[in-house]
Order: sequence, then C-alpha cells, then structure tokens
Amino acid sequence: ETGVTQSPTHLIKTRGQQVTLRCSSQSGHNTVSWYQQALGQGPQFIFQYYREEENGRGNFPPRFSGLQFPNYSSELNVNALELDDSALYLCASSRDSPDTQYFGPGTRLTVL
Amino acid sequence: EDQVTQSPEALRLQEGESSSLNCSYTVSGLRGLFWYRQDPGKGPEFLFTLYSAGEEKEKERLKATLTKKESFLHITAPKPEDSATYLCAVQVRGAQKLVFGQGTRLTINP
Repeated sequence: ETGVTQSPTHLIKTRGQQVTLRCSSQSGHNTVSWYQQALGQGPQFIFQYYREEENGRGNFPPRFSGLQFPNYSSELNVNALELDDSALYLCASSRDSPDTQYFGPGTRLTVL
Repeated sequence: EDQVTQSPEALRLQEGESSSLNCSYTVSGLRGLFWYRQDPGKGPEFLFTLYSAGEEKEKERLKATLTKKESFLHITAPKPEDSATYLCAVQVRGAQKLVFGQGTRLTINP
C-alpha cells in the first residue's frame, strides 16, 4: 500500500510569486487536509477536501486555495507569496471525514 | 477556543530512563486525541488515537493514556532511536481539522 506522497520536496520562491504544491493520497482515502508548519511549531490547519469539495478551512487568507481531483489527489496554491509563508507544508489523507489522518513527507517552501 | 498545550517543550533522558510527556487540552467536545512522532524535516508519523477517558493504547516502548483533560505518552526504557518530536493533536466533534500542540522534543542519550 502506497503512503501519502508530496512534490516537490523543496522549493525556493521570491516574494510576490505563486506556487503550486501537490499531494497524492494513500490508496483508498478520499479526504485530503493541508497544514502549514513553521519551524518549532505544531502544524496549523489550512483546509480540507472531501470528495472534491472544500470541507472546512482554517484561518488562512483567500490567497491560499486548493483543488481535489477525481483520483483524490490534491493541489495547494499560494498566490502573492510573503516571507512568512516560508514553512513546511504537509498534506494528510484519511479514509473518510472525520478519520485518522496520515501525513506525507512535506514540502519545504522558502520565500526570499 | 480549542487549545492544546504540551509539556515539557524539551526533554533529555539517558537510554533506559523512563518518563512521560503531557498533553493538556481544552475543547468544546472531543472526538479523538492523536499522538504523532515527527523526525526533523519529515512529516508526522501516526502513533495512536484515543477516543474516551480511561482508554489506553500501547506500541513497543510507548503507551498513551487519556483523561477528560489531558493525555500522557509514557515511554519505557527508551532507546536513542526514540529521539524525535512528539506531537499531540485533538479533533473536535463536527470539525475536520486537527488542532496541534507545539510538540515535545525528546532526546535519548546513549
């Protein structure tokens, strides 16, 4: 059984640019959640997608947006990047919503 | 507001020296409490889910317990490979998100 995968592993962008991060959910899972983790902090919930619909959102501005595809993979898009967006971005999938969430390895985003 | 507080922030033990990590929570209605292990620069690895007060789960040298206000992660006779950050998270009834604590950074010296 393949676990959650994320791409790319690392990314460097400059302020004002846009970025797309990708996540493939674990086999049999229909729900994907995205989290932002700053250094030394616990992950913060961005939003969740359940069967291709947004199913809950945290305190993040609209420039953070997402998609879920029919195969339940997902994208996180961030527009107008700011320095504070530098963080580890984590994707987690679950069999249903709500259910135990299994995390991918993360994408390290650095904004210069 | 739902809150999770973990203590201590960092803990250094000698190999074989048992101890406990604490996770205190304040939520409107608990659906589940989750423990994860996270190695530097990697994603959290799922350890346990606890649903009701009095519940206990065990895995190798780790044992998680739950009361109405807190959870403990007991580590018995730890080894250097148990060094990691341990994260506690709660999920509120009717909500999708996990609310995480800031983690406890555990170091086991040989």
